[in-house]
Amino acid sequence: QSALTQPASVSGSPGQSITISCTGTSSDVGSYNLVSWYQQHPGKAPKLMIYEVSKRPSGVSNRFSGSKSGNTASLTISGLQAEDEADYYCCSYAGSSTSPFGGGTKLTVL
Amino acid sequence: EVQLVESGGVVVQPGGSLRLSCAASGFTFDDYAMHWVRQAPGKGLEWVSLISWDGGSTYYADSVKGRFTISRDNSKNSLYLQMNSLRAEDTALYYCAKDIGTGGWAFDYWGQGTLVTVSS
Repeated sequence: QSALTQPASVSGSPGQSITISCTGTSSDVGSYNLVSWYQQHPGKAPKLMIYEVSKRPSGVSNRFSGSKSGNTASLTISGLQAEDEADYYCCSYAGSSTSPFGGGTKLTVL
Repeated sequence: EVQLVESGGVVVQPGGSLRLSCAASGFTFDDYAMHWVRQAPGKGLEWVSLISWDGGSTYYADSVKGRFTISRDNSKNSLYLQMNSLRAEDTALYYCAKDIGTGGWAFDYWGQGTLVTVSS
């Protein structure tokens, strides 16, 4: 049950777009379209932003989008806003009902 | 409104035991699988355990297998995590999370967490 690999930090200016990558293996990200992304502000519980690679839950801004290619999934945030500054985690189903998370990416809005 | 409220977190000595609870409301509890996810202080998220809607199937991360037991009482809309043989590395904020359902593996609602500290 190895963790997925995410960059430790990314940054962007308001209005710009950024992409956070999440690299797994052929046993998790590469085998299942069950990648999800979570936003976590300091001291708060995580919030689901994307599920099943690219689906958005009701209420999540369409500025957030997800995709996958091979063993790497990506979260793109367009039109960056100050309130997007947070930690972001990816997660993937990995078979046998187990589920590694990525190490998390700190997004800074400059 | 979906609400998940965890309780039971305390300071416990290494080797000790603890039971966490999660009270659920605002949705049909016995329609959904439930998870425990933890977060060590200043660290990332770690999936811990899953229980099916009826409690008939349970799954664990390797790091807790054989020491933790997940259970649920659908008559009380409650989820539990029995934690035995606790180690310092089990120190974390423990969240209960609702599975999104319909075969999609994701956690669509989270509680605020309960803090477990393992220390002598």
